[in-house]
Amino acid sequence: GAGVSQSPRYKVTKRGQDVALRCDPISGHVSLYWYRQALGQGPEFLTYFNYEAQQDKSGLPNDRFSAERPEGSISTLTIQRTEQRDSAMYRCASSPSDRGKANEKLFFGSGTQLSVL
Amino acid sequence: AQSVSQHNHHVILSEAASLELGCNYSYGGTVNLFWYVQYPGQHLQLLLKYFSGDPLVKGIKGFEAEFIKSKFSFNLRKPSVQWSDTAEYFCAVNARGTYKYIFGTGTRLKVLA
Repeated sequence: GAGVSQSPRYKVTKRGQDVALRCDPISGHVSLYWYRQALGQGPEFLTYFNYEAQQDKSGLPNDRFSAERPEGSISTLTIQRTEQRDSAMYRCASSPSDRGKANEKLFFGSGTQLSVL
Repeated sequence: AQSVSQHNHHVILSEAASLELGCNYSYGGTVNLFWYVQYPGQHLQLLLKYFSGDPLVKGIKGFEAEFIKSKFSFNLRKPSVQWSDTAEYFCAVNARGTYKYIFGTGTRLKVLA
């Protein structure tokens, strides 16, 4: 596609439910990032993939959060047993650059607005 | 650890006023610096970036930013804002040779027509 695509655009769920957020990066982009943005805050790093390898997951808040990118393209961020504090905008970004050549800009998707009731 | 500070959280200006948004970062090594913008209803997009060379960089829509290494600053400027500049602006830093980008908390700019 022309840009980074994220789905769903909005997700409302009840506390305790699991959610899966999808990111389809720009074709051929090597690097993929997940960020979380709470209201009034900047994007906060969650995790980074280089091709299919999850190189850094240091930003994932706890073990309820996981991410995968099994074929080096589409990625899924899963939140298990959601809590109200998980409510935020979840942003995916991709970049054509391989790790260590990060002089490239990030291309962001429109984000998924998650609301946990 | 790297961090980015944006001092102005909300800015309101009239059209034609000049704009300067502050950005300071904390990191001792070489960095790449970015300003991203999010217009209402749109995704984050790059406004301008600094990697090396001339510390005064020019971006889209008449924006520019100056890297002052001694002050660890990368302030965004525009001589005359327009109503269409109403948006949220984020400063970001990336340590050279790494993959992680750290964002500031953002500045919401509202330009009154």
